[in-house]
Amino acid sequence: AQSVAQPEDQVNVAEGNPLTVKCTYSVSGNPYLFWYVQYPNRGLQFLLKYITGDNLVKGSYGFEAEFNKSQTSFHLKKPSALVSDSALYFCAVRDWAGQNFVFGPGTRLSVLP
Amino acid sequence: EPEVTQTPSHQVTQMGQEVILRCVPISNHLYFYWYRQILGQKVEFLVSFYNNEISEKSEIFDDQFSVERPDGSNFTLKIRSTKLEDSAMYFCASNQEPTSSYEQYFGPGTRLTVT
Repeated sequence: AQSVAQPEDQVNVAEGNPLTVKCTYSVSGNPYLFWYVQYPNRGLQFLLKYITGDNLVKGSYGFEAEFNKSQTSFHLKKPSALVSDSALYFCAVRDWAGQNFVFGPGTRLSVLP
Repeated sequence: EPEVTQTPSHQVTQMGQEVILRCVPISNHLYFYWYRQILGQKVEFLVSFYNNEISEKSEIFDDQFSVERPDGSNFTLKIRSTKLEDSAMYFCASNQEPTSSYEQYFGPGTRLTVT
């Protein structure tokens, strides 16, 4: 069965500093990995995905994520955090046959001015 | 940019009542989904729908739940005889292709409160 772990409930970072939101996964076969962001009172917004190819994928709003197969991780990163990045971040996985996402529990990112 | 829309944004209902949550997926999308998020918990898959049929459902999606595409634009989730534990945020999503490499586009959600 597929599963996603986000080991940190909360990440605090100062504005201008780099940020990392961690995600590890378990899936049979090749994983398809996604990051979504949820702002207050809003739906989930797609940030980026890894399907195949380059392990470093770039997405919206300056975010990027690095796929590491040996560590089964897909950490979300941004070189310089903005206060407006403060939100709830969800990592999600699908296997090659699955239509539906398995989401992680979410990590709340707070960027402090 | 086209968006998935959901109505109402907030629904309050009494235990035992029926509710219908409505979604308008992106117009050229063919695959539709419902997810729920109980407050403070993770997003959970409920059901997927294609060609007027349920294609997959989770164990959460029991006989209390049903989905329908009554016309060419709306996609509804009906909850019969609501329970307190049905209180959650319900998200609709859609995409053009169901294959795993495609992201789903989510609506803003309907907050259901059962009292």
